[in-house]
Amino acid sequence: KNEVEQSPQNLTAQEGEFITINCSYSVGISALHWLQQHPGGGIVSLFMLSSGKKKHGRLIATINIQEKHSSLHITASHPRDSAVYICAVWDGSEKLVFGKGTKLTVNP
Amino acid sequence: NAGVTQTPKFRILKIGQSMTLQCTQDMNHNYMYWYRQDPGMGLKLIYYSVGAGITDKGEVPNGYNVSRSTTEDFPLRLELAAPSQTSVYFCASSLAQGEYNEQFFGPGTRLTVL
Repeated sequence: KNEVEQSPQNLTAQEGEFITINCSYSVGISALHWLQQHPGGGIVSLFMLSSGKKKHGRLIATINIQEKHSSLHITASHPRDSAVYICAVWDGSEKLVFGKGTKLTVNP
Repeated sequence: NAGVTQTPKFRILKIGQSMTLQCTQDMNHNYMYWYRQDPGMGLKLIYYSVGAGITDKGEVPNGYNVSRSTTEDFPLRLELAAPSQTSVYFCASSLAQGEYNEQFFGPGTRLTVL
């Protein structure tokens, strides 16, 4: 069974700072998902990664399949980026395994 | 498209009561899922369905039942509510199964059992 660990658990930043959130998993995979959970509770998919790097606006996600590690970066952070960021990987059979999430607070 | 919708948004139940959480998607997705999210924990899969008439247990199915009579609807039934079922419940859907497929989530139902 794949296990997913995220760090840090909580992160507070000042507006404009560069943010990094880390995700490690225990069993080799082909793809990893990053999701964002808004303060109101809604969950949206940000990225699906199978190799290298993906960029969407100020968000950049990278993955190293050999090291079983992914990072989510936010450049020029803004208070509206405040959310819980969740990574998830397939467990090899039928379902996604989710990390516990990283709660990001960006202060103005 | 409304995407994935869930009702109700909030509910308080007494121990032993029953209720159904509704989930509907309008994206013609074959795959649908029910998750629960407990404070400080990752989402846990309760049940999933690969198409109308086909359902299967996930990681934490005890105390729940599901049905899938249409492609669009995937209700979750709690028969005898217990305090351990206090959680936020999310329904999700995807076009196909597998690690490359994006799941689309509903807004969630916050359930409290007292």
